Amino acid sequence: SQTIHQWPATLVQPVGSPLSLECTVEGTSNPNLYWYRQAAGRGLQLLFYSVGIGQISSEVPQNLSASRPQDRQFILSSKKLLLSDSGFYLCAWSPIGLAGGPWELRRGYTFGSGTRLTVV
Amino acid sequence: KQEVTQIPAALSVPEGENLVLNCSFTDSAIYNLQWFRQDPGKGLTSLLLIQSSQREQTSGRLNASLDKSSGRSTLYIAASQPGDSATYLCAVRPETTDSWGKLQFGAGTQVVVTP
Repeated sequence: SQTIHQWPATLVQPVGSPLSLECTVEGTSNPNLYWYRQAAGRGLQLLFYSVGIGQISSEVPQNLSASRPQDRQFILSSKKLLLSDSGFYLCAWSPIGLAGGPWELRRGYTFGSGTRLTVV
Repeated sequence: KQEVTQIPAALSVPEGENLVLNCSFTDSAIYNLQWFRQDPGKGLTSLLLIQSSQREQTSGRLNASLDKSSGRSTLYIAASQPGDSATYLCAVRPETTDSWGKLQFGAGTQVVVTP
């Protein structure tokens, strides 16, 4: 079965420090991968998505970047954190990749357990 | 642009009552609609996935209906329990010409079931 792992679960970082959050998926290949942020009292905001190794698309211009060094690994980074980067970060995958067709689009999303980031 | 709305934003019911959560979307061109549950400080757990060609899906005490033409979905939870207390989110996967089909989420309904 497929599983998604996300770590760390919680993180407290000072302003101006770097950030690295990691997400890995097991039991599937060539997944679509996503990073979402959920700020306090707000809905889910899609930050980045990836359809393959090295292929990253950004939804919102910000202080963050994403990378996909391996097929099932997705990393969210920042060189210098801002207070506004605080929030709950969620990684997700869906079973569609570069060769995906209409049938695969009918599959659902699976989310990780999230990382609570507090920038102080 | 697809917009997803969930009403009510919050709901409190006594244990044993049935829960009815509503989700509406503005563009009926969707592949599917997915209901999630989120406990405080936790990730999203998928509850039900309804394809655009389906009218409903059932899992245990949960039943979700979909009326694609009118842009509505309803999640029913029978005989609610305190353990059902959580935020419930609906999300649609729009039909697109590209291959990623990014989910559009509603803001969620926060449910409290009192013993």
